[in-house]
Amino acid sequence: DADVTQTPRNRITKTGKRIMLECSQTKGHDRMYWYRQDPGLGLRLIYYSFDVKDINKGEISDGYSVSRQAQAKFSLSLESAIPNQTALYFCATSDSGTGETQYFGPGTRLLVL
Amino acid sequence: AQKITQTQPGMFVQEKEAVTLDCTYDTSDQSYGLFWYKQPSSGEMIFLIYQGSYDEQNATEGRYSLNFQKARKSANLVISASQLGDSAMYFCAMRERGGSSASKIIFGSGTRLSIRP
Repeated sequence: DADVTQTPRNRITKTGKRIMLECSQTKGHDRMYWYRQDPGLGLRLIYYSFDVKDINKGEISDGYSVSRQAQAKFSLSLESAIPNQTALYFCATSDSGTGETQYFGPGTRLLVL
Repeated sequence: AQKITQTQPGMFVQEKEAVTLDCTYDTSDQSYGLFWYKQPSSGEMIFLIYQGSYDEQNATEGRYSLNFQKARKSANLVISASQLGDSAMYFCAMRERGGSSASKIIFGSGTRLSIRP
């Protein structure tokens, strides 16, 4: 089984709809992250969490919110989706060792019409 | 502000040849980490190799090695004996340590590597 899972893997939604992307991990890491990737670009950080009680905004948090329900679960919500939020979304986890290497989930492809 | 630059948008290499993917970075911190990730066409992000700023030796992982030149602020990825399966996007990334927010990573724009048979 994969260490970092994301659901759904693909999603099509309409402008104005609320959508939630979920991430679960079995690596036992305390730190979790959400990124988005636009075509031809690298990843940009949306939100990150160092533990259940710690949530921080990243580079591009506007239009997004997150919830850290447990150490192993971190969800990303788009309260009112807009077309320029069409992207590939990645969840990642890390711990405080091994250079804090981040390990990524398989990604969620989101299309907002 | 920290920044990662990958100047090669795309590269073509003959199978079995070695290939070097360039990465330069800019940071004012003394303690930082450098990473390379591979993204095949299927989309997942695969961790390849890590180099800490205080590591004296270049990191190696199988066919991957990181040519770390601290004074030049470069962290090039070298893939030896390239294989068809190495065709993918490659991202260089940097983690900068600063106070309590130690785990933010920024990514370069990537290099698309294509291996010719």
